[in-house]
Amino acid sequence: AQSVTQLGSHVSVSEGALVLLRCNYSSSVPPYLFWYVQYPNQGLQLLLKYTTGATLVKGINGFEAEFKKSETSFHLTKPSAHMSDAAEYFCAVSDYSGYSTLTFGKGTMLLVSP
Amino acid sequence: DAGVIQSPRHEVTEMGQEVTLRCKLISGHNSLFWYRQTMMRGLELLIYFNNNVPIDDSGMPEDRFSAKMPNASFSTLKIQPSEPRDSAVYFCARGRRQPGYGYTFGSGTRLTVV
Repeated sequence: AQSVTQLGSHVSVSEGALVLLRCNYSSSVPPYLFWYVQYPNQGLQLLLKYTTGATLVKGINGFEAEFKKSETSFHLTKPSAHMSDAAEYFCAVSDYSGYSTLTFGKGTMLLVSP
Repeated sequence: DAGVIQSPRHEVTEMGQEVTLRCKLISGHNSLFWYRQTMMRGLELLIYFNNNVPIDDSGMPEDRFSAKMPNASFSTLKIQPSEPRDSAVYFCARGRRQPGYGYTFGSGTRLTVV
């Protein structure tokens, strides 16, 4: 069974600073990995995903993530934080049951200060 | 959120009352998922359907919860009778069986049971 661990329930950065949100996964097969973002009072929105091919994946709003098989990680980064990036971020892994259900991490709240 | 419409956005009800949450898919998709989100437990998968057939309802917390998908574009989640501990945000999401597709989420229904 797949699982996802997000280190840190809250991450605080200053505007303009590097954003790093950590995600480690457990999977017995090559995983499909996702990052979603949830703004207040909204549903989850896909930021980016890794399926196959290039291990560095670029998403919306300047975010990117790198799949590292040896470290079982899929950390999310952004070079320069913006106030509008304040939200909750979820890492997820897709299973191979045939129905592609997603298992989500607990989420990391990103706080951006001026 | 495009293509997944949930109603109502907010619901406040008294303990013991029946609550029905609705999810409409603008275009039919293979799979539909119901999730519940709380501060304590994060995102929990309640049930999912494929081609309108319930595949796994092991996440439904109690017999008070039931879900239906009468056609490819519509699903309901019913709680009868409701209890204060059911207070949460309920999301529906559409997906496909192909691994790597991911989900598209609705905006959610915030349920408060008093």
